[in-house]
Amino acid sequence: ETGVTQTPRHLVMGMTNKKSLKCEQHLGHNAMYWYKQSAKKPLELMFVYNFKEQTENNSVPSRFSPECPNSSHLFLHLHTLQPEDSALYLCASSQESGLAGPSSYNEQFFGPGTRLTVL
Amino acid sequence: GENVEQHPSTLSVQEGDSAVIKCTYSDSASNYFPWYKQELGKRPQLIIDIRSNVGEKKDQRIAVTLNKTAKHFSLHITETQPEDSAVYFCAASRGSNTGKLIFGQGTTLQVKP
Repeated sequence: ETGVTQTPRHLVMGMTNKKSLKCEQHLGHNAMYWYKQSAKKPLELMFVYNFKEQTENNSVPSRFSPECPNSSHLFLHLHTLQPEDSALYLCASSQESGLAGPSSYNEQFFGPGTRLTVL
Repeated sequence: GENVEQHPSTLSVQEGDSAVIKCTYSDSASNYFPWYKQELGKRPQLIIDIRSNVGEKKDQRIAVTLNKTAKHFSLHITETQPEDSAVYFCAASRGSNTGKLIFGQGTTLQVKP
């Protein structure tokens, strides 16, 4: 596998279930991200991990719990979700220089996403 | 807070015509502006980006312009083709090392053959 992979691709769960989404990047990047994509809404950043450390939590409810055991893997643990959490969850990775300024940014590569349906 | 507004939400053009999508941002500290294309059922992919130290960038049929004073940037696609049909997202990021991108709402572009 190359690039950014995500499993599962589709997930249906009840509100009382516990499940996990997995993301793996094969690009040697040092930063990983979780985004939520709902219909009629922009891509919403959820979490950012830089060098395995969480550097951003965009006011995400505690029923979403991220985990980054190493720079290649990122998980999103789900529990007691609500129907409005149904969406496409996208993982992305990039190589960050750790510097500030316009020259520090590099392309974010997205995974194919997990289509989550909460019943 | 940080916000990116994107217009129009839908755009329909005839093959061969030009398409323009515009975005405005609220955070004056933003200095990186990528554009992503997302085809139906596929992942977003970067098509072009621009940094605050330049005003215009071109890559074949695609160009992006940036007006920092007015805090807006635009995507221009010339000689559109049916395969350009997709959802296009603009984004903005400020000068930090978190890689945090704020996305616009997306524009659904339809190119009619």
